[in-house]
Amino acid sequence: GAVVSQHPSRVICKSGTSVKIECRSLDFQATTMFWYRQFPKQSLMLMATSNEGSKATYEQGVEKDKFLINHASLTLSTLTVTSAHPEDSSFYICSASGQGRSYNEQFFGPGTRLTVL
Amino acid sequence: DQQVKQNSPSLSVQEGRISILNCDYTNSMFDYFLWYKKYPAEGPTFLISISSIKDKNEDGRFTVFLNKSAKHLSLHIVPSQPGDSAVYFCAARGGATNKLIFGTGTLLAVQP
Repeated sequence: GAVVSQHPSRVICKSGTSVKIECRSLDFQATTMFWYRQFPKQSLMLMATSNEGSKATYEQGVEKDKFLINHASLTLSTLTVTSAHPEDSSFYICSASGQGRSYNEQFFGPGTRLTVL
Repeated sequence: DQQVKQNSPSLSVQEGRISILNCDYTNSMFDYFLWYKKYPAEGPTFLISISSIKDKNEDGRFTVFLNKSAKHLSLHIVPSQPGDSAVYFCAARGGATNKLIFGTGTLLAVQP
């Protein structure tokens, strides 16, 4: 399968700071990237869908001003959690699909554990 | 409103036996279904998928069955191996978009 990386794998920050998480597709061009969050023992919840070069589409209940998504190239999308608070602590996972890959498949990154103190 | 449900939070199976993981959905517009395997602190790994025009898809030890009338799909793993122990998520794709709706997951434990 395709390789998707995320950086950092783990981040701890103080309340009120902003955190940027990178998602990269390493061996294919990702026309679409997805951002999920997972709370302990719960399912993956889609936060937003981003297409390269256009604005992200956010799911209902997700604050677009708090979770800034940029998909500036076919291999990189970033999620910035602005003014993070303890309730933002979660496991954030990105996935990618795109050219040369089955439209039906999403390839997931390893995830980023965010802890806000 | 949980559109994709996995009613069994956990399942324990003996090594060598069959593991059957179940998933139910409510949206008849879903046209593609996938199963993912996930270890703690890692991203999901794609296992197998099935289109709504089929009722069965097989890949090695993994077989997925789809019953559209019952809005039910299942993943069969045979023979089960200890390395199969993980959380399994089913996911459904809805209509024109490529976004996936995930179930709540089933923790499979394969006992040696």
